[in-house]
Amino acid sequence: QKEVEQNSGPLSVPEGAIASLNCTYSDRVSQSFFWYRQYSGKSPELIMSIYSNGDKEDGRFTAQLNKASQYVSLLIRDSQPSDSATYLCAVPSGNTPLVFGKGTRLSVIA
Amino acid sequence: DAGITQSPRYKITETGRQVTLMCHQTWSHSYMFWYRQDLGHGLRLIYYSAAADITDKGEVPDGYVVSRSKTENFPLTLESATRSQTSVYFCASNPDSGGYEQYFGPGTRLTVT
Repeated sequence: QKEVEQNSGPLSVPEGAIASLNCTYSDRVSQSFFWYRQYSGKSPELIMSIYSNGDKEDGRFTAQLNKASQYVSLLIRDSQPSDSATYLCAVPSGNTPLVFGKGTRLSVIA
Repeated sequence: DAGITQSPRYKITETGRQVTLMCHQTWSHSYMFWYRQDLGHGLRLIYYSAAADITDKGEVPDGYVVSRSKTENFPLTLESATRSQTSVYFCASNPDSGGYEQYFGPGTRLTVT
């Protein structure tokens, strides 16, 4: 089973700051990378996908991919208390459509 | 309403009983998935299906049975529930080949006593 690793946190940042969430993966042939957000007691929802090396921006969210280092990150600019959630990194691997990391819990302090 | 629904939302059952969790989607998505989510383990894939009558095992299939006779339904059965199967179960679906961008149902919280 290929692995997806994330720091479990909690990661605490003050309101308005940049939150940086990191993910490493072991399957070198992976070509697609996804970030899901999960609020406490709710189901995961897709917030970002990235397929090419470099940065992809969507509003306050930026996904960064470095395939050589097998590293993908999610930056949240101008963090808001409503961003407090668990962020799950997910990567297709082998025969498994998506392998999820255990998630990083983010807390934005007002 | 369109979307993906799960039933029941909460279930308490006893060890050894058979339990079926239902999942229904109205998008006509090809792919459907069952995950369980536990503290310390994250989301783990139990089974998935690429189309009606096609199912494949995921990471943790033991003790579970699935079927998919219709595109819109993907029930998950615990044949003889054990306490280790206490968990939150999520169903998800995806319209494309590959099953990458998945849309999740609200979840079923199952407690086995």
